[in-house]
Amino acid sequence: AQSVTQPDIHITVSEGASLELRCNYSYGATPYLFWYVQSPGQGLQLLLKYFSGDTLVQGIKGFEAEFKRSQSSFNLRKPSVHWSDAAEYFCAVGANTGNQFYFGTGTSLTVIP
Amino acid sequence: GAVVSQHPSWVICKSGTSVKIECRSLDFQATTMFWYRQFPKQSLMLMATSNEGSKATYEQGVEKDKFLINHASLTLSTLTVTSAHPEDSSFYICSAPRQGAYEQYFGPGTRLTVT
Repeated sequence: AQSVTQPDIHITVSEGASLELRCNYSYGATPYLFWYVQSPGQGLQLLLKYFSGDTLVQGIKGFEAEFKRSQSSFNLRKPSVHWSDAAEYFCAVGANTGNQFYFGTGTSLTVIP
Repeated sequence: GAVVSQHPSWVICKSGTSVKIECRSLDFQATTMFWYRQFPKQSLMLMATSNEGSKATYEQGVEKDKFLINHASLTLSTLTVTSAHPEDSSFYICSAPRQGAYEQYFGPGTRLTVT
């Protein structure tokens, strides 16, 4: 069965520092991988996605993620965090087209000045 | 880009009443839509899959008689919380895939508070 694990429930970083949010997935075939960000009381905003091809994908707001099949990981990175990046981040895996997504438990990011 | 809307964005209702939440795909047709529930500080949990023209498929543990889903057209799915109780208070989010696409498009969510 498909599953997604985000090992870090909460991360605190200083503004301007680099960030890496971890995501591990379990899926029998090539997964379709996504990172979403959610601000309090808001819906989900897609940061980036991986379907195939180049394993390093660029997203919005300066985020990038790298797909590593050997490690079943899809970690999210940002070289320099801004205070506005404070939010909840969800990793998700999708199966075939039109099928449901499976979400990780989320990582809450706090940015300190 | 594809847009999914939800209405209302927030609703307060009294215990024992029913409330309907709409999910619309504005610029594409969706034969399938998904309904998620999110409790505070938690992840999204799939409740059910809404199928146009047929019955919804509910996840284990979700009461189908309590959470009524109707996929009336290729652009509209509704979730009705019947006889709502305070424990049903949550953030409800719908999503829809564009046909043939891997990506899901999420609605902005509906905050339900049952008093």
